[in-house]
Amino acid sequence: GAVVSQHPSWVICKSGTSVKIECRSLDFQATTMFWYRQFPKQSLMLMATSNEGSKATYEQGVEKDKFLINHASLTLSTLTVTSAHPEDSSFYICSASGGSRNYGYTFGSGTRLTVV
Amino acid sequence: QQQVKQSPQSLIVQKGGISIINCAYENTAFDYFPWYQQFPGKGPALLIAIRPDVSEKKEGRFTISFNKSAKQFSLHIMDSQPGDSATYFCAASGSSNTGKLIFGQGTTLQVKP
Repeated sequence: GAVVSQHPSWVICKSGTSVKIECRSLDFQATTMFWYRQFPKQSLMLMATSNEGSKATYEQGVEKDKFLINHASLTLSTLTVTSAHPEDSSFYICSASGGSRNYGYTFGSGTRLTVV
Repeated sequence: QQQVKQSPQSLIVQKGGISIINCAYENTAFDYFPWYQQFPGKGPALLIAIRPDVSEKKEGRFTISFNKSAKQFSLHIMDSQPGDSATYFCAASGSSNTGKLIFGQGTTLQVKP
């Protein structure tokens, strides 16, 4: 089946530093990847959509200069949280789609980011 | 119009009982309706999904019922087990929103032994 690997599973960083989260599709080509943010006991909020080789499309209210997304290949997308602050602490989850409307979406296991 | 409303927020069911979670949507362009199960600290995992050309889909103990005219769909978990205790999300997507999944608010299910 379709597998998406997300790394790291958790990370602690100091305020002002940057953190990179990787999302890899292991057994399929992900033409589209999605990045979500989830606060405790809340739903998943879409941050941005990225298509391979194109600039990411950010949802309203998401700072594109703070959350840098790169989708350079069909199997890898990265999310970099720049100049992290404690309010950026959250659970970040990626999802990948193979591009077919029948393929569905496969989610990574998530990354717990804590900014201290 | 992009919202997906999910209820109840939380649900407690006895082992062996039926768990029912409901969702309603507004955008008639939605054409893919999945349900996800999420355990604490993990990403969502697809349980079952349906498209609007069928009114029901069953996979094991999980059934989706879909009412296109009412713009509602529901998840039924038969013979609920303690291992089913998790948070469940409905979602919807369609070609009109470039494949983005719109999630419901989530339902925390607790199955008591």
